[in-house]
Amino acid sequence: ILNVEQSPQSLHVQEGDSTNFTCSFPSSNFYALHWYRWETAKSPEALFVMTLNGDEKKKGRISATLNTKEGYSYLYIKGSQPEDSATYLCAFNPVNNNDMRFGAGTRLTVKP
Amino acid sequence: EPEVTQTPSHQVTQMGQEVILRCVPISNHLYFYWYRQILGQKVEFLVSFYNNEISEKSEIFDDQFSVERPDGSNFTLKIRSTKLEDSAMYFCASSERYQETQYFGPGTRLLVL
Repeated sequence: ILNVEQSPQSLHVQEGDSTNFTCSFPSSNFYALHWYRWETAKSPEALFVMTLNGDEKKKGRISATLNTKEGYSYLYIKGSQPEDSATYLCAFNPVNNNDMRFGAGTRLTVKP
Repeated sequence: EPEVTQTPSHQVTQMGQEVILRCVPISNHLYFYWYRQILGQKVEFLVSFYNNEISEKSEIFDDQFSVERPDGSNFTLKIRSTKLEDSAMYFCASSERYQETQYFGPGTRLLVL
């Protein structure tokens, strides 16, 4: 069973705080790990796709790391802003399979 | 910036009725997908479509579901005889190549009464 887990389920931080959350996925049969940012009533927005062990990706204040050997990825947000409030989803792509297995998401709320 | 669009945004139907959910993928993309999210649960893969045929499907995608690309732009999901448990948000996505980033539409919220 290809289970993808995210923690925490929800997170409340103050504006300016830095935060991080975790995605764990099967370490075998790995092809890619995706992070999406999903605001209510909008399309999930692709943030990163990572394929190599040790990959680090950065987009503005948001960055992500990947450890395929132990099966986890971290998403970091530096200096959180209220507009960062959203659900952050990770999704695992196994080898030779084009579907994506999603985690349940981490719901981030940034208070001004 | 190109985006995936979906219509309708909301649909309410009676149990046993047929529904067609529509999507317009990004124009140069070759792979198309449907996912669904039942309220409170994870986003689940339904089906992927390439070169006018289904390339992968999940165990959820049974005989009551079908997909079609009726013209050069639309991609549809048909549910033949809806059940209460089909109530969910249905997302369409597309990607340019195999196993590349999938770009999602805003979803159609389906409610079966």
